[in-house]
Amino acid sequence: GQQLNQSPQSMFIQEGEDVSMNCTSSSIFNTWLWYKQDPGEGPVLLIALYKAGELTSNGRLTAQFGITRKDSFLNISASIPSDVGIYFCAGQADSGNTPLVFGKGTRLSVIA
Amino acid sequence: GAGVSQSPSNKVTEKGKDVELRCDPISGHTALYWYRQSLGQGLEFLIYFQGNSAPDKSGLPSDRFSAERTGGSVSTLTIQRTQQEDSAVYLCASSTYTDTQYFGPGTRLTVL
Repeated sequence: GQQLNQSPQSMFIQEGEDVSMNCTSSSIFNTWLWYKQDPGEGPVLLIALYKAGELTSNGRLTAQFGITRKDSFLNISASIPSDVGIYFCAGQADSGNTPLVFGKGTRLSVIA
Repeated sequence: GAGVSQSPSNKVTEKGKDVELRCDPISGHTALYWYRQSLGQGLEFLIYFQGNSAPDKSGLPSDRFSAERTGGSVSTLTIQRTQQEDSAVYLCASSTYTDTQYFGPGTRLTVL
């Protein structure tokens, strides 16, 4: 099935560093979402983006919905150990009533 | 309030056996989704229920997979004659018509 191109695949960073990851698609999406998944858990929504060009923050997290509606990025500032996990981008063609298309995830490791 | 719950959390079965996975969505959520997450991969859409409409089965990988949703609430995903490639984490999500999807913790299926 369709998947988004998410990069990087994995990151090892020092505590306190900033992190950036992104997602691209060959198709247009009307909603972009960023989820975090901890081991043994389901994905938890971090940020939802609904308008092209939208820049949204949630604490130390900032995400942007690309103007072309084919890409999005997520930044994490001043990383801490609990940021460890797998981050997934997801695109949705229509808000609320269509399945999500996911990237393969970015595995983040934070070295204290 | 209570989130999406799934049972069992882990299921080990022998090749060729049938399995049933259960999802209890958030109360009041009209939409319910099933996804599959293979090792190291993003989530892959399987099937989607919205209210009383016919389900969107476009993501089911074969006719061994089926799902039903009783009374607009609980859903059961059934895999018949399981194969080793069916081993994965099966995740359920629910949403209101316009809201984002909230995920359960998943069922880890291992087919020996």
